Amino acid sequence: GQQLNQSPQSMFIQEGEDVSMNCTSSSIFNTWLWYKQDPGEGPVLLIALYKAGELTSNGRLTAQFGITRKDSFLNISASIPSDVGIYFCAGSPLTGANNLFFGTGTRLTVIP
Amino acid sequence: DAGITQSPRHKVTETGTPVTLRCHQTENHRYMYWYRQDPGHGLRLIHYSYGVKDTDKGEVSDGYSVSRSKTEDFLLTLESATSSQTSVYFCAISEGSTEAFFGQGTRLTVV
Repeated sequence: GQQLNQSPQSMFIQEGEDVSMNCTSSSIFNTWLWYKQDPGEGPVLLIALYKAGELTSNGRLTAQFGITRKDSFLNISASIPSDVGIYFCAGSPLTGANNLFFGTGTRLTVIP
Repeated sequence: DAGITQSPRHKVTETGTPVTLRCHQTENHRYMYWYRQDPGHGLRLIHYSYGVKDTDKGEVSDGYSVSRSKTEDFLLTLESATSSQTSVYFCAISEGSTEAFFGQGTRLTVV
């Protein structure tokens, strides 16, 4: 199955810094999703994107649907300790979660 | 949090034994999914259901079967567990859109 390339694999940042991560695919997607997973928990949906070029915010998080439809970006501004976790991108070429493909995650560590 | 409950949360079983994992939802969503999560692979779809008694295979369905006799329950069965099925299993639900909402996961160890 298709796998998305997510980078970086891990990040260590100081509290208060901004964070950027991205996800690329080899094919065109019409949906991009970003999830966060805390240890021992399931992924929690952060942001959903449905249109090329779309920029959507959720508090300090901003995500963009790449104009080529083959990539997406997630930015976190002014990081805080509770931002620690693994962030996953997911994309789908078709409507329906049965067509979702997931990245391998970016592990974020925030140093107080 | 979406109303999704997975049981058990942890299980250790022996190779060759049957195992059933349960997913229960209180959201009345039409679609339910079973994923497995392994290091280096992200989340991969095992099976999904688009209604009572309606199921279909996902990317990694070999060795697994599912059943959905009620809207709220989706069962995943490993007929004869193998060590390669040691993983964390997640149930997810959606209401037709691409957005999936996940349960807390079941950690399965096959020894």
